[in-house]
Amino acid sequence: GDSVTQMEGPVTLSEEAFLTINCTYTATGYPSLFWYVQYPGEGLQLLLKATKADDKGSNKGFEATYRKETTSFHLEKGSVQVSDSAVYFCALSDVGGSEKLVFGKGTKLTVNP
Amino acid sequence: EAQVTQNPRYLITVTGKKLTVTCSQNMNHEYMSWYRQDPGLGLRQIYYSMNVEVTDKGDVPEGYKVSRKEKRNFPLILESPSPNQTSLYFCASSWATNEKLFFGSGTQLSVL
Repeated sequence: GDSVTQMEGPVTLSEEAFLTINCTYTATGYPSLFWYVQYPGEGLQLLLKATKADDKGSNKGFEATYRKETTSFHLEKGSVQVSDSAVYFCALSDVGGSEKLVFGKGTKLTVNP
Repeated sequence: EAQVTQNPRYLITVTGKKLTVTCSQNMNHEYMSWYRQDPGLGLRQIYYSMNVEVTDKGDVPEGYKVSRKEKRNFPLILESPSPNQTSLYFCASSWATNEKLFFGSGTQLSVL
């Protein structure tokens, strides 16, 4: 079945450090890929998405590229801020396959000043 | 303002006492879903609905019921809550499963 695997956390970085959170997936159809972010005490909100191979999603300095050959959608940011501290979820929607939305387990990021 | 509203925000109850968590969206979304979030397990889908009167089980439906009588509302019902249903619950909606999902603020449920 469809699945999403993302790197275990927690991840702790200093302000202005480079961030990578790895995400790989398995799917039977043509998945759309997403990164959601959950700030403390809040619901999840969409950070970025990509709907086909080689698409790059970007928002708020974060980027992720849909790599079909490696079934990956790694999240990156060149210089993190304290305000980026949150839990990040990778997700896929298997359009043409199960049509279900599947989430990874989440990666908690803490950025220290 | 486009939003998903779920109530209550916090709920403490006892084993076996029926409860309902309400969810309402004002965006005319077709798709609605319930998730529970537990430490180390991430987000797991309980039930989802593709449209009015159409509901399907997610990954962890045992002990839960839902209904979709109107497009905007998707309540989650626990007929006989048990302590293992203590969790943080989220309702979400979107136009389709491959579109942006809008989440409510969450309901923290404790079953004693």
